Amino acid sequence: QKEVEQDPGPLSVPEGAIVSLNCTYSNSAFQYFMWYRQYSRKGPELLMYTYSSGNKEDGRFTAQVDKSSKYISLFIRDSQPSDSATYLCAMRGLTGGGNKLTFGTGTQLKVEL
Amino acid sequence: NAGVTQTPKFRILKIGQSMTLQCTQDMNHNYMYWYRQDPGMGLKLIYYSVGAGITDKGEVPNGYNVSRSTTEDFPLRLELAAPSQTSVYFCAGHWDDTGELFFGEGSRLTVL
Repeated sequence: QKEVEQDPGPLSVPEGAIVSLNCTYSNSAFQYFMWYRQYSRKGPELLMYTYSSGNKEDGRFTAQVDKSSKYISLFIRDSQPSDSATYLCAMRGLTGGGNKLTFGTGTQLKVEL
Repeated sequence: NAGVTQTPKFRILKIGQSMTLQCTQDMNHNYMYWYRQDPGMGLKLIYYSVGAGITDKGEVPNGYNVSRSTTEDFPLRLELAAPSQTSVYFCAGHWDDTGELFFGEGSRLTVL
């Protein structure tokens, strides 16, 4: 069993739709949760960063963490064609010695006009 | 600032050849990482460094070596290239107290 599971998609939605992207994990030591966006042939870039359980909102993006269920989500409201990318969840524990993240496999999203 | 810069962007190697992927950063990152990304497999950590002169193995280090003689540079060496090393390689860095990794644009390597 992988430590982090993420549906690879592809997920295709019409412009303006609400998108829900999800990851499940098995390691209860994970405390920091991130979402990275990766455009084709580019490096990932940080989109959202949360610590422990709860919600965080940034513009059209909302990240949710439910540690009791070991489940994290990213919601995109009013999706735009420019949101078409691969979305990677990532997480790590509290231990020091570097930011060794465990990544999901990524979900490919396409927002169509 | 240029950020994290990787060279080359593309390379084709023959089995058994060696090469070095270069990574340099001008953001004063203490921590630096090398990941490989394969289709359907996500990002896997190869090696990382917590500062100049200090390196350590990640999840998939076999067939690779790194060095960190300066804060700015973190090259990844492939010895005796194998088809299993065909992948996209990403270098990344961050400062001490932030969780945000800054990635380079990647180096696409094919071993034939």
